Amino acid sequence: DGGITQSPKYLFRKEGQNVTLSCEQNLNHDAMYWYRQDPGQGLRLIYYSQIVNDFQKGDIAEGYSVSREKKESFPLTVTSAQKNPTAFYLCASSIAGGNTIYFGEGSWLTVV
Amino acid sequence: DAKTTQPNSMESNEEEPVHLPCNHSTISGTDYIHWYRQLPSQGPEYVIHGLTSNVNNRMASLAIAEDRKSSTLILHRATLRDAAVYYCILSRDSNYQLIWGAGTKLIIKP
Repeated sequence: DGGITQSPKYLFRKEGQNVTLSCEQNLNHDAMYWYRQDPGQGLRLIYYSQIVNDFQKGDIAEGYSVSREKKESFPLTVTSAQKNPTAFYLCASSIAGGNTIYFGEGSWLTVV
Repeated sequence: DAKTTQPNSMESNEEEPVHLPCNHSTISGTDYIHWYRQLPSQGPEYVIHGLTSNVNNRMASLAIAEDRKSSTLILHRATLRDAAVYYCILSRDSNYQLIWGAGTKLIIKP
């Protein structure tokens, strides 16, 4: 089935460590996105990419990094510079200029 | 950026229609109105979107006011599986310009 796969579903990180969240899509979408969601809040855009080898900062990019080496993949690294990384992270994709975004199941990151 | 205002929560009975309101008084002429819903610990799911005219699909209907300053998502016959947080969002040109509020938590009573 076509869709977006995020892994891992749950991740624990020690303070000072970098972690990478995986996102793979087989929908042949050009655009991919990373959002952060805190409890009881809406989604906030971290990074987005409209095409391979290109990406743009969203509203809360500080402390995060991404790469887009393949159309299907858009991994997110949460660096030690992110002061409050505990959150629910959502990867999404869409066709270029499309009106519908498709989301993965999300990844929970907890700093211990 | 244009923003939306939604009630924090609403309750409805199972098998009855549900009307979820959204105010967007600063909407511009080119802003699309989108609705997504999210179950706990899952990614949001697209429900419906529109620009000026009312829209229907298999999940819901979207009624847009003539002045476009408000809209209503209509679930014609709510089921327990419709219990979720519903987000009303405006977009202007592209999906990366979406601004997500806190949404409306819909509670369905058996």
